[in-house]
Formats: sequence, structure tokens, C-alpha cells
Amino acid sequence: DIQMTQSPSSLSASVGDRVTITCRASQDISDYLAWYQQKPGKVPNLLIYTASILTSGVPSRFSGSGSGTEFTLTISSLQPEDVATYYCQDYNSGPRTFGQGTKVDIK
Amino acid sequence: QVHLVQSGAEVKKPGSSVKVSCKASGGTFNIYGISWVRQAPGQGLEWMGEVIPIFGTTNYAQRFQGRVTINADGSTGTAYMEMRSLRSEDTAVYYCSRFLFAGSAMGGPGPLDYWGQGTLVTVSS
Repeated sequence: DIQMTQSPSSLSASVGDRVTITCRASQDISDYLAWYQQKPGKVPNLLIYTASILTSGVPSRFSGSGSGTEFTLTISSLQPEDVATYYCQDYNSGPRTFGQGTKVDIK
Repeated sequence: QVHLVQSGAEVKKPGSSVKVSCKASGGTFNIYGISWVRQAPGQGLEWMGEVIPIFGTTNYAQRFQGRVTINADGSTGTAYMEMRSLRSEDTAVYYCSRFLFAGSAMGGPGPLDYWGQGTLVTVSS
């Protein structure tokens, strides 16, 4: 099975900072990579799919990149409402594995 | 407007079974699959398995194979997840979510684009 590894597991940054989260797949998954945002006590929400396409309504400060085995989620200017845990997921086939999550909060 | 509405919270004894339902509305049930994802308290998201209702095909994470059954009733637009031999470690919120399956009329495979509200299953003696 493909393993998805996120780093870091948590981070603390100031409002306005650029934040980058990395997700590595143990095998080539092309661009079948999604990012989800889960705010505390809420249902996960699809943020980005096909590695770089923003879901409708997602602020443009969010961006995704990568293909193959290495992917990044970037928040260009961190806002208080971005406090959440972010998960990557391989959704190509077989077990649709999630990364372990990256918790983002405000310093 | 797409909605996935799950059944209510459950409290179960160790060794018993639970069945959670997920009713879809506002979309075309036959071009989507339904995945089940769980989240233990304070933990991350764990993909459990999926069903493609139009074909009746299923796929499970290895750790749930044999203990979990996922199926769907296309006539009512409802998917189900049944877990047997419950243990305390199965205490979690269980989510259903929708995805385009590979080869569907709308393309795919796709990510989990709509989610149910979650069902808390508590396993306690």
C-alpha cells in the first residue's frame, strides 16, 4: 500500500507568514493528490485536488503544487481563520490513504 | 445542493456490532462512490473503505477487511457501514463522503468532495 507522509506534524506561525506543508508519497501517484482542511470540531473540507486545483470558494492564498511523489500546500499569508489541521490524500486507487495531518496554529 | 446525512450517535458494548447509514440527496447517486473515513478522538483521518453503488463493488483498507461491511442501496440513495466485534479502540467519529469513481460518466477518480456530518460511535462497557 502507498504511504503518505506529511511534514511537519505541527507548526506555529504569525499572521501574514508564508506557510508550507509537505506531503510525500511512497510511490508515484501522478497528480491524484488532494488536500483537506479540518477546523477544530468540524467536518473535513476539500481544499485542493489534482495537486493544484483550488475548490470553488477557497481563498487564493492557498496553493498546491507537485506531482509524482512530492507535493506541497502553501498558505501565502496566514490568517487567523486558517487555524486547522491539514491532511493530504492519495485518491488514485486502492486504499485512499491520508497523511497523518499537519496542525497549524497562530503564534 | 448535495447533502450526505448520517444516522445518529451510537453507544455500543465491546463485542457488539454497529451499522451507520448515510443518505445522499441532491446529486446523481449512480456516478459516485461512497467512502467511509473514521477519526478517533484527537487523532487523524483514517480511510476505511468504499462502495461504488452502481456496481456494488467494494474496497477495504486491509486492517478493516473481514470486520467491516460497506454496501449501498441505489433505490434509496443510502450507503451503510457495519462494523462487528467492536472494541474500545473503535470509539471514533465515522464519516461518509462522496467521490467520483474511475471511469464514471463525469470522469474520475476524484477526491472526497462532500462529507456527511459524522456519527460518533462510542464503545464502552
